[in-house]
Order: sequence, then structure tokens, then C-alpha cells
Amino acid sequence: ETGVTQTPRHLVMGMTNKKSLKCEQHLGHNAMYWYKQSAKKPLELMFVYNFKEQTENNSVPSRFSPECPNSSHLFLHLHTLQPEDSALYLCASSQDQGAGYEQYFGPGTRLTVT
Amino acid sequence: AQTVTQSQPEMSVQEAETVTLSCTYDTSENNYYLFWYKQPPSRQMILVIRQEAYKQQNATENRFSVNFQKAAKSFSLKISDSQLGDTAMYFCALGRTNFGNEKLTFGTGTRLTIIP
Repeated sequence: ETGVTQTPRHLVMGMTNKKSLKCEQHLGHNAMYWYKQSAKKPLELMFVYNFKEQTENNSVPSRFSPECPNSSHLFLHLHTLQPEDSALYLCASSQDQGAGYEQYFGPGTRLTVT
Repeated sequence: AQTVTQSQPEMSVQEAETVTLSCTYDTSENNYYLFWYKQPPSRQMILVIRQEAYKQQNATENRFSVNFQKAAKSFSLKISDSQLGDTAMYFCALGRTNFGNEKLTFGTGTRLTIIP
């Protein structure tokens, strides 16, 4: 597909659980992104990493904790989530962090918080 | 602040017809990029077409073309000879080019259904 994979594809977790979402890109890109997609709302940018360094935190609650160990992998650690956090979480990558670069998206993780 | 507005939540059109999806935006920047992304059902989002604001010529990609009206801050997508595979959510996005703070702002999307 696009060269960006995400696991798991579906996740159901309770509010007291701790889980992690994983994203991997096989494109040799330097920038990686986490987005939240909720129904009838614009995609919300959560975090941006460029060359493994976090360059953007879009006022995301601390119950979401990103990790980027290298340019190919991106994690989103989740703990004590709320039901309103249920959404599709998309990972994307681009050659570099710049407005003109095409972003390549993964298939997403459908998260349900019970 | 940047905003992107897609005023058509849903559209449907017969196969082989032409359809136009609307998008308006607001930005104080003079240099920026505009995109249309497509998200088919249960499939990954992909780029359809891209337009640089400094270019007056409208971008085209095969059956997909845009009508970019910079003064009106309008960026519509025209799909000609629509096909069943065009059924998807379409998102308009605006990318600003401020060094060190580049990011995309997305609209709420238009769900397009191509009817056989």
C-alpha cells in the first residue's frame, strides 16, 4: 500500500489500561506524524517528529505519550484514557517536515475506550 | 489561525459523470500549499493532487483537476469520468510554509459515492 504500517488495527481498552500503538514506515522518510480522526471533525494533528526529535505537540493531554526511537518507528503510549478518546489514530510520514511534502498515511488504529 | 471549510458533507453522482467538490480556506500566509487527499472505505489515505499557491496554473492529474482561486481562497476538486473506485472520503488540506512550524490543516471531509 503506502509503505506505512500500523499495529494493532483495532484496540479496545478500559480507562485504567495501558496500551501502545505502533507505526513503521519503510520509505526512508525523516518526519513522522500522529493524527486523531473523529467522525465529522477535521483530522487533528497530535505530534510531529523530524529526525527523531519532537517538533510539534498540539496541546495533547499527557495521557498520550509519543516515542520515536528512530526515523522508521513511532509509538503512541496510552494510559488512563477517556471514552472521548475513542477514534481512528493515523500515523503518517513524509520525506521531511515541510508543508510541501506529501504525507503517506498508515491504515490507522481504531481505538475504542470503554 | 488557518481554517479549511468543506461545505458538502456528502455527495453522490452517477458513474462516468463529472463531480466538483468545494473547499474554501483562510490563511494570512502568502506562500502555502493546498492538497486533496482521498480516503477510500477501510483503506489508507492517499494524495490525489497538490497545488502550490504561487503557481497560477491549476494542477491536473489525469481525471482529477483543481480550480484554484487565490483571491477568493477557493480550491475545488473536479473529478471527470467518475469511476466506482472514486468512492471515498475526500479531504482538503492547507499547508503553510513558515519555517519551523509547517503543518497541515484539514477540512471535515466530503463523502463521495459513485453510483453504478
